[in-house]
Amino acid sequence: EVHLVESGGGLVQPGGSLRLSCAASGFAFSDYWMSWVRQAPGKGLEWVANIKQDESEKYYVDSVRGRFTISRDNAKNSLYLQMNGLRAEDTAIYYCARLDYDNGWYLYYWGQGTLVTVSS
Amino acid sequence: DIQMTQSPSSLSASVGDRVTITCRASQRISRSLNWYQQKPGKVPKLLIYGASSLQGGVPSRFSGSESGTDFALTISNLQPEDFATYYCLQTYSAPWTFGQGTRVEIK
Repeated sequence: EVHLVESGGGLVQPGGSLRLSCAASGFAFSDYWMSWVRQAPGKGLEWVANIKQDESEKYYVDSVRGRFTISRDNAKNSLYLQMNGLRAEDTAIYYCARLDYDNGWYLYYWGQGTLVTVSS
Repeated sequence: DIQMTQSPSSLSASVGDRVTITCRASQRISRSLNWYQQKPGKVPKLLIYGASSLQGGVPSRFSGSESGTDFALTISNLQPEDFATYYCLQTYSAPWTFGQGTRVEIK
């Protein structure tokens, strides 16, 4: 059974940094693209970033490019999101998800999310 | 970037009703369009992928359709458990973009 478990969220001051982790199990992690999606409190879903199996391709939403870095460690079956220069508007639940493909990409497996709060 | 315009932002319906939610893409996205259902405090659930393919385990009252850059999610015979917020997501090109969401409420 596929499991994705995020960790690393918490309260951080504006301008601070945080590193989120996503531990994957139940599938061959190194075979899949992975993604981060976030949701601000009471707001809609926002895609944040994607990463290819070998890290050779990474994509970001404009609002985080240059501040956030997506990475992975296939040996540890783990996905990461390094977040620097955090702003109040980055406050959200951050979900990791696995990309699958069938007539287009889709996200079926999601973690439960980890809450990041940026506040002084 | 591809913009996804989802409508309506909310709707009120009764059990047994047929409801349709639409997403319009700002440019061609082929059939790279997913639909998700989210209930308060829960993780989004995939309903439809590839514009019209029903995810396994999802009731057949949910269906998706596509016409050019217009996409629709239809729920026929609305059930009490269907009251939730629905989102479309285009995965044709990065940055991927979600629609703004449609809240389906009980009339």
